[in-house]
Amino acid sequence: DAGVIQSPRHEVTEMGQEVTLRCKPISGHNSLFWYRQTMMRGLELLIYFNNNVPIDDSGMPEDRFSAKMPNASFSTLKIQPSEPRDSAVYFCASSSGGSSRGTQYFGPGTRLTVL
Amino acid sequence: AQSVAQPEDQVNVAEGNPLTVKCTYSVSGNPYLFWYVQYPNRGLQFLLKYITGDNLVKGSYGFEAEFNKSQTSFHLKKPSALVSDSALYFCAVRGARLMNNNAGNMLTFGGGTRLMVKP
Repeated sequence: DAGVIQSPRHEVTEMGQEVTLRCKPISGHNSLFWYRQTMMRGLELLIYFNNNVPIDDSGMPEDRFSAKMPNASFSTLKIQPSEPRDSAVYFCASSSGGSSRGTQYFGPGTRLTVL
Repeated sequence: AQSVAQPEDQVNVAEGNPLTVKCTYSVSGNPYLFWYVQYPNRGLQFLLKYITGDNLVKGSYGFEAEFNKSQTSFHLKKPSALVSDSALYFCAVRGARLMNNNAGNMLTFGGGTRLMVKP
């Protein structure tokens, strides 16, 4: 299996620009998570989808952040407009039901730098 | 509500010595407990989990963890540390009861413990 795929791996942009992060979950997984990791705040859950439906978006920092999951194999996290404080590593993770229920598998992350 | 505490920001161990990374949790009902490891510039990797059964769980890379219900703990252990074990370790919990609803797969992570193994 390919694992969770994220793109791009690195993104450098200027303040005010739109940023789109992409994630392809493991095939057959029905839950998808977006996390943000910084030195100051550690690992934060931003939003969680189950069967393509957003279940909990209480971690989304503000209206500049939005996430979509148009189908079971693709999700995006968009920041518009971006700000320097959004600089972080963004992880996508997926999980499934069955015997492995609860175990999340993480992608390699996207390192975002907003100048 | 559920929560996880990793009381140590960093643990220092000499290579070849046993290591313990501590985790305590709070959850309603029975817990599902997880350990993840993060190497530099990588995503989190699943190490092991406890759902039910034997309190001692064995995982990847020679790691094991012991579930202690009375102390609400799930400490990660390894008999002999390697320099290559140096990484960031995360404990996570989910209440078993909540596994049966739409939010069932959501985990609560601890703040992480950095393990440094010196040669």
